Amino acid sequence: GAGVSQSPRYKVAKRGQDVALRCDPISGHVSLFWYQQALGQGPEFLTYFQNEAQLDKSGLPSDRFFAERPEGSVSTLKIQRTQQEDSAVYLCASSLEWTENNEQFFGPGTRLTVL
Amino acid sequence: AQSVTQLGSHVSVSEGALVLLRCNYSSSVPPYLFWYVQYPNQGLQLLLKYTSAATLVKGINGFEAEFKKSETSFHLTKPSAHMSDAAEYFCAVSDPSSFGNEKLTFGTGTRLTIIP
Repeated sequence: GAGVSQSPRYKVAKRGQDVALRCDPISGHVSLFWYQQALGQGPEFLTYFQNEAQLDKSGLPSDRFFAERPEGSVSTLKIQRTQQEDSAVYLCASSLEWTENNEQFFGPGTRLTVL
Repeated sequence: AQSVTQLGSHVSVSEGALVLLRCNYSSSVPPYLFWYVQYPNQGLQLLLKYTSAATLVKGINGFEAEFKKSETSFHLTKPSAHMSDAAEYFCAVSDPSSFGNEKLTFGTGTRLTIIP
């Protein structure tokens, strides 16, 4: 596809369940970002990959959150033992590389609802 | 640390009227600044960005923004609103000195409603 894709688009989980959210970046994009967008708020940074290396995970809210990008393309955000406060839209973005004219391209997001 | 403040969580304008969405930033270094638009159930789309070149930046769909260092502002404008402009708008900042990690810090967003 031409853009960033994310799956599933919607996920409902019972509190305590583990979930895995997938991001397919634009082919060839080096950088990949995950953001969390709570209802009525702006997106907040979670973590950043450059190829397969996770260079910044300072935004992950707890050790229940884990992200990986083992082959430098597809990325998975995993949330263990989900809590109600994890309910949000999770956005993935990719960019070609860091340059002054760089642009992050966003996927449509995965809306996670924890009951 | 960097941050942006968007004044007005909801803005309503009449079709054909001027659109003005406000954004003020806080940054310890000269920032890069962005405006994104989000339509319902869609991802964010870049409208325009300031990266230390011209202070008046023109973007897509007739939008433009002016970087004013003295006011620490980067307000978004459009001379004549269209119904299709109804969406959520986010201002964002990044630190250009963080080479290789251009993570964005977003404001809380402004929902723009166009009145027919």
